[in-house]
Amino acid sequence: DAMVIQNPRYQVTQFGKPVTLSCSQTLNHNVMYWYQQKSSQAPKLLFHYYDKDFNNEADTPDNFQSRRPNTSFCFLDIRSPGLGDAAMYLCATSRGEGTRQPQHFGDGTRLSIL
Amino acid sequence: AQSVTQPDIHITVSEGASLELRCNYSYGATPYLFWYVQSPGQGLQLLLKYFSGDTLVQGIKGFEAEFKRSQSSFNLRKPSVHWSDAAEYFCAVGAGSGNTGKLIFGQGTTLQVKP
Repeated sequence: DAMVIQNPRYQVTQFGKPVTLSCSQTLNHNVMYWYQQKSSQAPKLLFHYYDKDFNNEADTPDNFQSRRPNTSFCFLDIRSPGLGDAAMYLCATSRGEGTRQPQHFGDGTRLSIL
Repeated sequence: AQSVTQPDIHITVSEGASLELRCNYSYGATPYLFWYVQSPGQGLQLLLKYFSGDTLVQGIKGFEAEFKRSQSSFNLRKPSVHWSDAAEYFCAVGAGSGNTGKLIFGQGTTLQVKP
């Protein structure tokens, strides 16, 4: 089945130690999104790629960066994680073509900061 | 500004009972509306969507939702709830521009199902 895969499912890192989360998709979708979801809250969009065009949300901290080397893969880099960055990180994809297209989500990576 | 409100943070229903989860939106143009479900520790799964046409839309797992423009609502319903429906439910409006589908989510409603 075509899907969105996030690895790892659980990630533990130390305060201030860089960490990378990965997302891959077999849907061949143009758009890939990264969301941060804290406990009992709605997902919050961090940024997205339309093909290779990167779009950062205005309130996304500089500590968060992303790379998309090809259509299938997208990475979320947290340069210096703080305790407040502990959350579930969700990757999603869509075909683009505007807001009509539903987003397809991976199962997320739960990040813990020691 | 676009926004989505889910007035009920937590709902408990008995298995077999009917369910309605409320969603109100604020959007200037014709909205694209979605309901997603999230089971614990997992990602979001699309239940159904509304773009245009018939205001009553059917989704997966026996869910349906009705778009009411006059009330700016898009409530989710199910006639008979199963224990496996216990999860977090998010209503969202598509608010992007150009070729990307930015979603504005409500705060979510946690559904608990009593045996």
